[in-house]
Amino acid sequence: QVQLVESGGGVVQPGGSLRLSCAASGFRFSSYGMHWVRQAPGKGLEWVAFIRYDGSNKYYADSVKGRFTISRDNSNSTLFVQMNSLRAEDTAVYYCAKGNGFFDYWGQGTLVTVSS
Amino acid sequence: DVVMTQSPLSLPVTLGQPASISCRSSQGLVHSDGNTYLNWFQQRPGQSPRRLINKVSNRDSGVPDRFSGSGSGTNFTLKISRVEAEDVGVYYCMQGTHWPPVTFGQGTKLEIK
Repeated sequence: QVQLVESGGGVVQPGGSLRLSCAASGFRFSSYGMHWVRQAPGKGLEWVAFIRYDGSNKYYADSVKGRFTISRDNSNSTLFVQMNSLRAEDTAVYYCAKGNGFFDYWGQGTLVTVSS
Repeated sequence: DVVMTQSPLSLPVTLGQPASISCRSSQGLVHSDGNTYLNWFQQRPGQSPRRLINKVSNRDSGVPDRFSGSGSGTNFTLKISRVEAEDVGVYYCMQGTHWPPVTFGQGTKLEIK
């Protein structure tokens, strides 16, 4: 069965950096685009970034453009997002989601808290 | 960006009764490939979102047939024919026709009356 397991969340100071990972299993990872979606505490869902199956195209939400970088390692079925210059408003649960027709499977999420 | 507007934002429903959630988009959602990329998601308390419906009306695997999606153009609806206790949670619509960015509705909180 499809499994997506995020890791790497934690508490970071404003201006700091964090790298999240998403380990995928149960499907051919190298054949699918992948997304990051976040949810601030008590709020709705916000799309963050997308990477094509082969890594050739990447798209970002305006709110993270220039600060976040999405990448993938198809040999290890892992998705990443490097988050720099973090702000308080980046505080959220970050989900990775499989891209088949948009978000057919989601991970359990990892919490990122940006606070001094 | 395409704005997705859901109503109502709060939906108290009696067990066994039907429920309906509306989602309107600020632009038509028919893609140049002929598909309409309008999905519905359920997020139960403390859980990750789960996709229920893709491309307006296609139920995802394992989704009970009491859930149905319909609509076209800019107006879409998620219906639950008979609400059960396990349906409590927040429901989101999402458009993937005019992306990036993918955009979500604000969410509709379904609770049992």
